[in-house]
Amino acid sequence: DADVTQTPRNRITKTGKRIMLECSQTKGHDRMYWYRQDPGLGLQLIYYSFDVKDINKGEISDGYSVSRQAQAKFSLSLESAIPNQTALYFCATSEQGSTEAFFGQGTRLTVV
Amino acid sequence: RKEVEQDPGPFNVPEGATVAFNCTYSNSASQSFFWYRQDCRKEPKLLMSVYSSGNEDGRFTAQLNRASQYISLLIRDSKLSDSATYLCAVKGNMLTFGGGTRLMVKP
Repeated sequence: DADVTQTPRNRITKTGKRIMLECSQTKGHDRMYWYRQDPGLGLQLIYYSFDVKDINKGEISDGYSVSRQAQAKFSLSLESAIPNQTALYFCATSEQGSTEAFFGQGTRLTVV
Repeated sequence: RKEVEQDPGPFNVPEGATVAFNCTYSNSASQSFFWYRQDCRKEPKLLMSVYSSGNEDGRFTAQLNRASQYISLLIRDSKLSDSATYLCAVKGNMLTFGGGTRLMVKP
């Protein structure tokens, strides 16, 4: 089983719909991140959380919200999806002080 | 200007060639530096950290130039299996990635 699990893996949704992407981890890490990836743009940080009570905006948080329900769970919501939110979304975790981030397998989201 | 920038490539090289990628970063307060490898439609995975004195892992050599604010990755004796996208990452308060450089190694 993967240490960082994202659900769903693929999703097609309509413009204006609310959608939630979920991430859970079994690594026991305190830090969790949501990135989106568009071709040629690398990974852009949407939100990150260093603790259950800590939520921080990243580079491109507009149109997104997050919830850290527990140390192991960090979900990303699109309140009203729009086509330019079509992208590959990655959740990642890391330990405080650690240099390495561990990624989930990604969620491919298409907004039509 | 993006905080971390890379040449997107693609770099097309024959097997056995030596290839080098650079990555520039704008935040002089950045503390840690990394190279990640990402295969097509897969998640990024850490290839190697980059240390101030430079470091080597087999055919891969990473270097950091703080004065000029860039990091580099050198791959010697390229293999077909090295074909992937290489992302540099810079850590200050958060981990910031470059756009990636695509490498294609051909027979």
